[in-house]
Amino acid sequence: DVKVTQSSRYLVKRTGEKVFLECVQDMDHENMFWYRQDPGLGLRLIYFSYDVKMKEKGDIPEGYSVSREKKERFSLILESASTNQTSMYLCASSLSRTGLREQFFGPGTRLTVL
Amino acid sequence: TQLLEQSPQFLSIQEGENLTVYCNSSSVFSSLQWYRQEPGEGPVLLVTVVTGGEVKKLKRLTFQFGDARKDSSLHITAAQPGDTGLYLCAGVSTNAGKSTFGDGTTLTVKP
Repeated sequence: DVKVTQSSRYLVKRTGEKVFLECVQDMDHENMFWYRQDPGLGLRLIYFSYDVKMKEKGDIPEGYSVSREKKERFSLILESASTNQTSMYLCASSLSRTGLREQFFGPGTRLTVL
Repeated sequence: TQLLEQSPQFLSIQEGENLTVYCNSSSVFSSLQWYRQEPGEGPVLLVTVVTGGEVKKLKRLTFQFGDARKDSSLHITAAQPGDTGLYLCAGVSTNAGKSTFGDGTTLTVKP
């Protein structure tokens, strides 16, 4: 089974702090994604990556950056956390850019910024 | 921008009832996925449909892809409390690098 793990289930940070969210997948998937999920707004794509050191902006990249130094790891960085970044963050991976592109999700990180 | 509209947004039913959830778009998708998400967890893939008119069954769940590959439905027979969750559809386009997710249907099945 594909396993996607996220570094923390719950995280509380203060405004202005730098926040790192880590995601690791164990199935040699090419693609990795970061979403945030908010009530009434659904899943919104922040960034995605097709390969190591490659990244592409999603629908809401402002205030975020990402890093993919190894194929299995995709990090989301909040350079200076703000209260409007309080949300559920979901990482996902999929096998390749072609084909069915079925996504496998991690358990999520619920981030609260005070 | 491709949009996927899901309906209804919320559904609350009694155990044993049947229900249908819809996922509609004006865009054509090469495939479409359904996911279920339980509170506090990430979405879990249920099924992928690929061919127009395709019907797939997963125990009490029946998934259908529209003939024109623009819409899909999920029918649950004799719903159980364990079916409670957020149901998401996601469309995949050949030319787009990312999937388009619907906003989801929150299903509550009361015992």
